[in-house]
Amino acid sequence: EIVMTQSPATLSVSPGERGTLSCRASQSVGINLAWYQQKAGQAPRLLIYGASTRATYIPARFSGSGSGTEFTLTISSLQSEDSAVYYCQQYNNWPPLTFGGGTKVEIK
Amino acid sequence: QVQLQQWGAGLLKPSETLSLTCAVYGASFSGYYRTWIRQPPGKGLEWIGGISHNGSTNYNASLKSRVTISLDESKNQFSLKLSSVTAADTAVYYCARGLPLEWGQGTPVTVSS
Repeated sequence: EIVMTQSPATLSVSPGERGTLSCRASQSVGINLAWYQQKAGQAPRLLIYGASTRATYIPARFSGSGSGTEFTLTISSLQSEDSAVYYCQQYNNWPPLTFGGGTKVEIK
Repeated sequence: QVQLQQWGAGLLKPSETLSLTCAVYGASFSGYYRTWIRQPPGKGLEWIGGISHNGSTNYNASLKSRVTISLDESKNQFSLKLSSVTAADTAVYYCARGLPLEWGQGTPVTVSS
């Protein structure tokens, strides 16, 4: 089973600042890595797939990078509506599908 | 636009069987992997299992003895059954389609005597 590890657990940033979230896989997943955003009380929403491709209707301030075992989600200019928990998930070597533990983004 | 709508009982007693169904609207149903995922209160996401277009199933090893996932292509639906539930199965249950995942709205399930 591939273990996904996210850091930091919590990211507290001011509006307009850049936020950088990390995701590490215990073995290579190629670029078969997705990022999801989950706002309070809502289902997760796909942000990024293929490590760097934005899903439909996702603003350009969200970008993904990386391959193999190291991945990054960058939010270039954080807005209040970006307050959420962000999860990475690998779909390269499954079952099982595995998720990171999440990074909570708080807007100061 | 794809929509996944799910339904099922939200309050169960210990030892009962959880039963949820997910319907896919607005897109092709066939050829996609269908998944069930759950999220205990305040916790992260746990993959329960899934079913491929040919009916082949995969289950989380920790739940395998209690889980059954099935599909009904004619109705564009797939279902989850989890037997012998306990309080530890209290969670929001999500259905999802494809990889990466397109999510249903979630169904909160509480197990309490």
